[in-house]
Amino acid sequence: GNSVTQMEGPVTLSEEAFLTINCTYTATGYPSLFWYVQYPGEGLQLLLKATKADDKGSNKGFEATYRKETTSFHLEKGSVQVSDSAVYFCALIPSGYSSASKIIFGSGTRLSIRP
Amino acid sequence: GAGVSQTPSNKVTEKGKYVELRCDPISGHTALYWYRQSLGQGPEFLIYFQGTGAADDSGLPNDRFFAVRPEGSVSTLKIQRTERGDSAMYLCASRAGTSEYNEQFFGPGTRLTVL
Repeated sequence: GNSVTQMEGPVTLSEEAFLTINCTYTATGYPSLFWYVQYPGEGLQLLLKATKADDKGSNKGFEATYRKETTSFHLEKGSVQVSDSAVYFCALIPSGYSSASKIIFGSGTRLSIRP
Repeated sequence: GAGVSQTPSNKVTEKGKYVELRCDPISGHTALYWYRQSLGQGPEFLIYFQGTGAADDSGLPNDRFFAVRPEGSVSTLKIQRTERGDSAMYLCASRAGTSEYNEQFFGPGTRLTVL
């Protein structure tokens, strides 16, 4: 079946450190891949997405590249800020579900940034 | 403009009681989703509406769970004979149009606690 596995947290970094949160997926065909972020006290927000192999999604300094050969979509940021503290979810929408588009989420990674 | 809203934000009930959770989607969004997020986990799909009809209810865990969207806008998730295992955050999302590439916008959620 379809599933997403992501790095367990919590992850604690100092401000300006480099961030990587690993994410791998299992799916048939060509799913669309996403990173969502949940800031404290707020709802889930789409951070970035990629809809085909080798696409790179980017937003707010975060990047992730759709790697079909390794079934991965790792999230990276070159210099994190305290305001990046949040829970990050890797997710996919399976191909072939164009009318339903239900999102399959990983379990989330809590990120804390120290000033 | 207004985002997705959900009421109540918190609901505490006793085992065996009936509860209703409400979702107000973004105006004009035809697609509406319900997800359930247990503590420390990612959201899991429950049901999808396109307009007034439930196009996919494959995620509902059992027949105690039911959802309606009678006028194609507001939706209500109904849980009968609640159990302690139903305690979770219930999230609603809405999406414009039918394309899977359109973003799903999430509400802040209703935290349900069954004592």
